Amino acid sequence: AQKITQTQPGMFVQEKEAVTLDCTYDTSDPSYGLFWYKQPSSGEMIFLIYQGSYDQQNATEGRYSLNFQKARKSANLVISASQLGDSAMYFCAMREGPGNQFYFGTGTSLTVIP
Amino acid sequence: DAGVIQSPRHEVTEMGQEVTLRCKPISGHNSLFWYRQTMMRGLELLIYFNNNVPIDDSGMPEDRFSAKMPNASFSTLKIQPSEPRDSAVYFCASSSRLGGRNTEAFFGQGTRLTVV
Repeated sequence: AQKITQTQPGMFVQEKEAVTLDCTYDTSDPSYGLFWYKQPSSGEMIFLIYQGSYDQQNATEGRYSLNFQKARKSANLVISASQLGDSAMYFCAMREGPGNQFYFGTGTSLTVIP
Repeated sequence: DAGVIQSPRHEVTEMGQEVTLRCKPISGHNSLFWYRQTMMRGLELLIYFNNNVPIDDSGMPEDRFSAKMPNASFSTLKIQPSEPRDSAVYFCASSSRLGGRNTEAFFGQGTRLTVV
């Protein structure tokens, strides 16, 4: 079974609108971390936001927020007020416990339309 | 800190040649990961180390690939002999534990390998 599933290969959003990128995960470990990364066309991997499995509140970082629904095992990324510079590939990732690997999803390509 | 440093940034080599990719993780990080990214296969984990010890190398495609981490500040990924299908961007990333949680993986800029 896939550890991380991103079902949206490509998404379009109008500039200044909000967009939600979906991510579901699969784990039986009670301790895990969820991460989102942005990869612009230049290729670097940029960390955006982190959510711990024991965190009670949804994580927020500026215009990014993580909609964490533990029972549904989903960790959707919400980008508010989209900007042209948000056009990029977005990856969801999970790490179970200490010393384990990061599992990455297949990514969602986001295009912001002016 | 300068972040994760990879070299070279670009490598073009002929089929059959040996290729060595290098990585310097962030100081103090105890986990190091090697990934390969292609359009067809996405981001694949090749191998990762904890405290310089290889933990899982099941992602290494075949015996032509080998990775070492002789100390906490240096790792190499070697392909010998290289083949055109090895053409990809290779990322190194490092991570540690901070305040009881795993930090995010900090990625290097990647090495774009082209095998002709």
